[in-house]
Amino acid sequence: AQSVSQHNHHVILSEAASLELGCNYSYGGTVNLFWYVQYPGQHLQLLLKYFSGDPLVKGIKGFEAEFIKSKFSFNLRKPSVQWSDTAEYFCAVIDFDNYGQNFVFGPGTRLSVLP
Amino acid sequence: EAQVTQNPRYLITVTGKKLTVTCSQNMNHEYMSWYRQDPGLGLRQIYYSMNVEVTDKGDVPEGYKVSRKEKRNFPLILESPSPNQTSLYFCASIASDNEQFFGPGTRLTVL
Repeated sequence: AQSVSQHNHHVILSEAASLELGCNYSYGGTVNLFWYVQYPGQHLQLLLKYFSGDPLVKGIKGFEAEFIKSKFSFNLRKPSVQWSDTAEYFCAVIDFDNYGQNFVFGPGTRLSVLP
Repeated sequence: EAQVTQNPRYLITVTGKKLTVTCSQNMNHEYMSWYRQDPGLGLRQIYYSMNVEVTDKGDVPEGYKVSRKEKRNFPLILESPSPNQTSLYFCASIASDNEQFFGPGTRLTVL
């Protein structure tokens, strides 16, 4: 079965630092990949998604992610974080070989940005 | 405005007392899903529905039921809640391109 791992449980950065959050999935069939953000006390919101084509995907709020198929990875990046980026970030995969049964989320990475 | 609504937002109940969490979407999506969110575990899929009258188990279905009698509604039913079902629950409505739209969440405490 598909699984998703996120490299860091909690990341602490100062404002203006660069961010990279790791995400790896286990099964290499046809996949769609997502990053969601959850601000404190709120529901998940989509940051960006990859379906096909250019492996470098740009999302909202200056975030981008790169799909590397050979590494089963979809890492999230932002060149300069802000205090308002403090949130929990979830990577998610939908696996078309098991459509409907394999909408799988990673355990999340909590990002704390210090002012 | 496209949205997913859930009710109640907060619920404290006791072991064994049946409860229903409602979920409704106004985007005419066929695919809907329920998740529970627990610290360190991310979101885990409980049940999903690909269309009216079609439901399937996700990764953690034990202790839950769902129904899908009409496209817009997808209630989650706990027939006999137990303390290990204390969690934060999210309903999602999923577009044809697989983007998920989440409800605001229901925080459930079972004593």
